[in-house]
Amino acid sequence: GQNIDQPTEMTATEGAIVQINCTYQTSGFNGLFWYQQHAGEAPTFLSYNVLDGLEEKGRFSSFLSRSKGYSYLLLKELQMKDSASYLCAVRGGGATNKLIFGTGTLLAVQP
Amino acid sequence: DADVTQTPRNRITKTGKRIMLECSQTKGHDRMYWYRQDPGLGLQLIYYSFDVKDINKGEISDGYSVSRQAQAKFSLSLESAIPNQTALYFCATSDRAVETQYFGPGTRLLVL
Repeated sequence: GQNIDQPTEMTATEGAIVQINCTYQTSGFNGLFWYQQHAGEAPTFLSYNVLDGLEEKGRFSSFLSRSKGYSYLLLKELQMKDSASYLCAVRGGGATNKLIFGTGTLLAVQP
Repeated sequence: DADVTQTPRNRITKTGKRIMLECSQTKGHDRMYWYRQDPGLGLQLIYYSFDVKDINKGEISDGYSVSRQAQAKFSLSLESAIPNQTALYFCATSDRAVETQYFGPGTRLLVL
């Protein structure tokens, strides 16, 4: 089967660092995406990993280990506006390359 | 102007009615997708299209149909709406080369 697991909720403090984990089991693998989604709004693209290692983009970094079926999103210098859901999505193998989404992690940033 | 637009943004309808949700994009992407999002269930793929002549069912296509009228337009229809189709619907597009999906603002549908 295909499965993506993320924690349901997390809480962190403004200015701190938070790590959101994602583990996956999918039929084939052609990349992992992280999206941010504020309540009632569209998901917006944050990062993409297809090779093992860390990708850094400003305050956000994403890590991938294909052998472990594991990724994390690291958010540094947290701001109140970072309060949102963070969606992990895996692009499976085969001709369709469809995205399979996790249920998302709701992050609450507190003052 | 937004690259991916959806109309309507909100819709209330009654059980048994036929409704259409529309999606347009100016990104020049050839691939388009329809998802629904329910609390606690994440995004589920309804239909996707890789070009104008290509339509494919996703995970939850029952009760839905689609039409790809042009490269830039992809419509989702509910032939006979039922209350458990109440959800937030998103259209998305991607380019064959990059595959990152870009989402429209969503349509909030309530079926009474």
